[in-house]
Amino acid sequence: EAGVAQSPRYKIIEKRQSVAFWCNPISGHATLYWYQQILGQGPKLLIQFQNNGVVDDSQLPKDRFSAERLKGVDSTLKIQPAKLEDSAVYLCASSRMGWSREQFFGPGTRLTVL
Amino acid sequence: KQEVTQIPAALSVPEGENLVLNCSFTDSAIYNLQWFRQDPGKGLTSLLLIQSSQREQTSGRLNASLDKSSGRSTLYIAASQPGDSATYLCAVRRTEETSGSRLTFGEGTQLTVNP
Repeated sequence: EAGVAQSPRYKIIEKRQSVAFWCNPISGHATLYWYQQILGQGPKLLIQFQNNGVVDDSQLPKDRFSAERLKGVDSTLKIQPAKLEDSAVYLCASSRMGWSREQFFGPGTRLTVL
Repeated sequence: KQEVTQIPAALSVPEGENLVLNCSFTDSAIYNLQWFRQDPGKGLTSLLLIQSSQREQTSGRLNASLDKSSGRSTLYIAASQPGDSATYLCAVRRTEETSGSRLTFGEGTQLTVNP
């Protein structure tokens, strides 16, 4: 079974620019998560989707971050405009339906904001 | 608010040693606890998942225990190998369904096993 796919793997942008990340979850996984991992810290959940509906976005900085999951499969996470403090690894994870299910993570996208 | 702490932050051991990584959490109302491994530049690999009703889980040379009442978990690695070098993260999931299945992570223990 193919794992969680993410692209790009690396991105360097200037502050105030926009950037978008893409995630393709494991086939059949209804739940998709985006996490932010700042260097030296554990991942922090930004947003969770169940199919194409948002379950939890309480930690998403909505003034600059947005995410969508059209058709309940792929998802994109956008930052507009980026700040220096957004430099981090953005991890996508997926799990089967049900909030207790084990999460499987993609390789992440490393974002550097200059 | 749930807080997860991992001690030590870094650990260096010679090959062959048995070792213990510690994880503590402030809110004992958890549904389960998961241990992950993270290699440099890579995503997270799930190692073990312990439900709140369980006391331990084993996979190969790894054994994870859970004491929910005291808010502690340990990951025991037997006969460590250089390939075990990585950052180990623990994460807890809350019980309230309205909070979704958010995992709260610790900051990790960076393990180095020297040949």
